[in-house]
Amino acid sequence: GENVEQHPSTLSVQEGDSAVIKCTYSDSASNYFPWYKQELGKRPQLIIDIRSNVGEKKDQRIAVTLNKTAKHFSLHITETQPEDSAVYFCAAGYNNDMRFGAGTRLTVKP
Amino acid sequence: NAGVTQTPKFRVLKTGQSMTLLCAQDMNHEYMYWYRQDPGMGLRLIHYSVGEGTTAKGEVPDGYNVSRLKKQNFLLGLESAAPSQTSVYFCASSGTGARGYTFGSGTRLTVV
Repeated sequence: GENVEQHPSTLSVQEGDSAVIKCTYSDSASNYFPWYKQELGKRPQLIIDIRSNVGEKKDQRIAVTLNKTAKHFSLHITETQPEDSAVYFCAAGYNNDMRFGAGTRLTVKP
Repeated sequence: NAGVTQTPKFRVLKTGQSMTLLCAQDMNHEYMYWYRQDPGMGLRLIHYSVGEGTTAKGEVPDGYNVSRLKKQNFLLGLESAAPSQTSVYFCASSGTGARGYTFGSGTRLTVV
C-alpha cells in the first residue's frame, strides 16, 4: 500500500516569512494529493489539492507543487500570518484510498 | 446543511466495555471513512465504505467493526475496548472520484 512521509515534523517561522512542507509517497499509481489544515482541537480541513496531471497549483498565499518522477510534493505558504499556525497534513492516493503523512506543526511567531 | 456529524464527542470506557460511534452525513456522499488520530502518527484509516452495504478494512482494523446499512450513516463499533484504543476518532466522507474529504468534528475516546 501507499506510504507517505512528511517533513519537517515541526516548523517555526517569523510572521511574513515563507514556510515549506515536503512529502514523499511510494505508490506510483497515486494520482491525488490533498493538503489539510488542522487547528488545535478542530477537525482537519482541506486547503488545497493537486492531481497528477498538474505540476503546480496556487490559491492566494498557498501553493502546492508535484514532482511525479521523484514522487514528492510540497506545500508552500508565503507571507505567513499567526492564523496560519496549525498542524498540516499531506495525503496521497487514488480512488479515494488515501494515506496521510504524520503531520507538520507550523508555528508563526508575531 | 450540517456536513458530517459525529456522536458522541467525548466518551470514557472501561477496559472490556463495548460502544458504537455514529457518523452521519447529509451530502449524499458515496464514500465514508473512519480514522484514528494519535500524537505524532497522523491519521490512520481503520475502515472505509464505498457505498451503502459495503465495508472494507484500512490500515488498522483490528478490534473494530463497521456497518453501513444506510448511505448517510457509518457506524464504528468497539467490541471489547482496550487502553490502546484511546484516541481521537474522525469520520470523513467524500464523493466519487479522487477528491477531498469532509471530516466530522471528532470523538475523543479514553479507555481506562
